[in-house]
Amino acid sequence: GAVVSQHPSWVICKSGTSVKIECRSLDFQATTMFWYRQFPKQSLMLMATSNEGSKATYEQGVEKDKFLINHASLTLSTLTVTSAHPEDSSFYICSARGGGYGYTFGSGTRLTVV
Amino acid sequence: GDSVTQMEGPVTLSEEAFLTINCTYTATGYPSLFWYVQYPGEGLQLLLKATKADDKGSNKGFEATYRKETTSFHLEKGSVQVSDSAVYFCAHLSGNTPLVFGKGTRLSVIA
Repeated sequence: GAVVSQHPSWVICKSGTSVKIECRSLDFQATTMFWYRQFPKQSLMLMATSNEGSKATYEQGVEKDKFLINHASLTLSTLTVTSAHPEDSSFYICSARGGGYGYTFGSGTRLTVV
Repeated sequence: GDSVTQMEGPVTLSEEAFLTINCTYTATGYPSLFWYVQYPGEGLQLLLKATKADDKGSNKGFEATYRKETTSFHLEKGSVQVSDSAVYFCAHLSGNTPLVFGKGTRLSVIA
């Protein structure tokens, strides 16, 4: 079946630095990538939707300059958290749609900003 | 707008107990319905799905039936195991819109 490889699985960074999270679709082309954020014991909050080669569409309340999304190829999308602060600490999950597989989720990245 | 409502947890059961997690939805048209499972520290995995009314999705002993008349997709398992402890998310999909998730229900199964 379809697999989305997401890494790193966890990262600790200092306040003010930037962190990049990658999601790669293996064996299929992800025409659309979704990025979610999950707070402890809560549901997934959709942050943005990106189509390959286009600018991402951000949900209301999500700062596009802080959460930079790049979807330059059909197999790779990245989320960069710029100038991270402790309140950005969260679990980030990507989901790829394409290849007739429906939605395939990455394994998530736990970001801790200290 | 479209939404998914599922029972709030946490749900704590003894091993071999019967499980039901309720899920209802509101949507325009005829959505596809899903249950996803999230084990501790991991991403989401598709557990089962149903794409039209009266369809029954099943996997790993879990079942859910797409009930259009009650707009429901309740998750059931006859005999839970400790390894089923996880968070379960109900979701629906209409057209090309992103998946709409419920808030999740945490299940803890104790031996």
